Amino acid sequence: GAGVSQTPSNKVTEKGKYVELRCDPISGHTALYWYRQSLGQGPEFLIYFQGTGAADDSGLPNDRFFAVRPEGSVSTLKIQRTERGDSAVYLCASSTQENTEAFFGQGTRLTVV
Amino acid sequence: AQSVTQLDSQVPVFEEAPVELRCNYSSSVSVYLFWYVQYPNQGLQLLLKYLSGSTLVESINGFEAEFNKSQTSFHLRKPSVHISDTAEYFCAVSSTGSQGNLIFGKGTKLSVKP
Repeated sequence: GAGVSQTPSNKVTEKGKYVELRCDPISGHTALYWYRQSLGQGPEFLIYFQGTGAADDSGLPNDRFFAVRPEGSVSTLKIQRTERGDSAVYLCASSTQENTEAFFGQGTRLTVV
Repeated sequence: AQSVTQLDSQVPVFEEAPVELRCNYSSSVSVYLFWYVQYPNQGLQLLLKYLSGSTLVESINGFEAEFNKSQTSFHLRKPSVHISDTAEYFCAVSSTGSQGNLIFGKGTKLSVKP
């Protein structure tokens, strides 16, 4: 596609529920990143994929968070047993393997009530 | 580990005035430096970046930033702002060995008034 696409744009869920957030990177981009942006803060790194594998998952806050990218394209961020503190905008970005510029999607706003 | 400090959370200026958005970073390794911009209701866009070479980098819409290693700064400047520059600006750093892991500052909201 023309840009990084994230779905849904908004998600409201109840505390304790499971959610999945989807990211479609720019076609041909091998690197994919997930970030989380809480209100009044800058984006916070969560995980980075190079192809199908997670090259760096040091930013995942705990084991309730998990991300996959099974075919090296679309990625899904999965959050189990959601908590109110998980409410944030979840951003996805992609880049070519060689290029340092990351292109961001518009994000998914997750609200846990 | 790296960190980024943006000292001003909000900067109001009048149209055609100059502006400087400050950014300081800390790192024990070599870094790449970035400024991203987020216009209202839009995603983050790269404004400019420093990778190597000339320490002064420019964007296509008149912004510039200078990498100052001794002061560990990467301040963003524009000599004359427009209403359309109203946005939130984020400074970010990555280590040269881990380019996918960007560390962002908290952002500076630039409001340009007529």
